[in-house]
Amino acid sequence: TQLLEQSPQFLSIQEGENLTVYCNSSSVFSSLQWYRQEPGEGPVLLVTVVTGGEVKKLKRLTFQFGDARKDSSLHITAAQPGDTGLYLCAGEVAPGNTGKLIFGQGTTLQVKP
Amino acid sequence: SAVISQKPSRDICQRGTSLTIQCQVDSQVTMMFWYRQQPGQSLTLIATANQGSEATYESGFVIDKFPISRPNLTFSTLTVSNMSPEDSSIYLCSWGQGWNEQFFGPGTRLTVL
Repeated sequence: TQLLEQSPQFLSIQEGENLTVYCNSSSVFSSLQWYRQEPGEGPVLLVTVVTGGEVKKLKRLTFQFGDARKDSSLHITAAQPGDTGLYLCAGEVAPGNTGKLIFGQGTTLQVKP
Repeated sequence: SAVISQKPSRDICQRGTSLTIQCQVDSQVTMMFWYRQQPGQSLTLIATANQGSEATYESGFVIDKFPISRPNLTFSTLTVSNMSPEDSSIYLCSWGQGWNEQFFGPGTRLTVL
């Protein structure tokens, strides 16, 4: 059973388009992270959200944590080829305190120039 | 944040042999984790390695196959024992802080022939 359902799994878009990646669960998370990974490298932390309804922005990336802390989304505005990579959501099921993360299946994003 | 390195970066091994992967952090950290990842796919947690205690393994992973050492707060090793082609994968270490944020090494790409 996959606790974190991430969609879509693959996305190929043109430069300048907008996109949204979703991360859904039936479980409540104490916190949720989004990571980006490029080939040959480890995942790099983009953001952590901890409060239900929280919205965080990182340049052209907007992250939202659902009110019930069961879901999250990543929206990219005006995507660029440099945004290409594997995007992973991850979280710790509440009440937490184990430090262990559950990862979504990942979204492979390709942005064509 | 502390910088984490891994070695080797890649290796090709014969079935039946063992490989030890080293993970070094440039400052002291409490929690370290070992993951396995197929290229382009999500991460699966193998075990949590805390200094001064035995590693805690996830379902499907056992100490005899994946022995882990954590001799101090900056270093850990994962050994993949008696390898088979099914063990071909990317192995990643990470360290954790705060709201379950994790910082990953670059990974070790293992091919077993």
